Amino acid sequence: RKEVEQDPGPFNVPEGATVAFNCTYSNSASQSFFWYRQDCRKEPKLLMSVYSSGNEDGRFTAQLNRASQYISLLIRDSKLSDSATYLCVVAKLTGGGNKLTFGTGTQLKVEL
Amino acid sequence: DTAVSQTPKYLVTQMGNDKSIKCEQNLGHDTMYWYKQDSKKFLKIMFSYNNKELIINETVPNRFSPKSPDKAHLNLHINSLELGDSAVYFCASSPRLAGASEQYFGPGTRLTVT
Repeated sequence: RKEVEQDPGPFNVPEGATVAFNCTYSNSASQSFFWYRQDCRKEPKLLMSVYSSGNEDGRFTAQLNRASQYISLLIRDSKLSDSATYLCVVAKLTGGGNKLTFGTGTQLKVEL
Repeated sequence: DTAVSQTPKYLVTQMGNDKSIKCEQNLGHDTMYWYKQDSKKFLKIMFSYNNKELIINETVPNRFSPKSPDKAHLNLHINSLELGDSAVYFCASSPRLAGASEQYFGPGTRLTVT
């Protein structure tokens, strides 16, 4: 079983739609959680951190359920520019520092 | 002003060659990383350095040797390149070793081994 699992998609949605991505992780010792965004042939960039209380940044809302080891990302009023791959990331503090484990990503295509 | 830069951006080489990729960050961060993203887009950590000291060394073949001459630079040397080494290699940095700190990625080096 992969440490971080995501539905690869693609999710094809019309502009203005609301779309939700889910992610599960296997290591209950994971301590920090993030969503990164990666555009085609570009580097990953942090979209937002994810907190147990849930957090919102504009049209984006992230939720964490530690008991179920489940993370979600909701995008409201999707824009063409939201088209990208969304990477679920979990971090664990090891003897060697903060180690990030990436999911394989969920591809989103927003269409006119 | 590029925060994390890598050279070269593209690298095409033959099997058996030795090549190096360079990475520099001007963010003043203490920690730097190398990641490999394969053809299936899976991004996996290879190494991390904190203040020039090797901290994380995943199960990477010893043909891969990272070197950090100072905390702003982390280079990756690969000996005896194999077809399976073809991938995009990303360098990243973060302000500190621990804590929920963001990692900043370089633009990637697309390595093709023929």
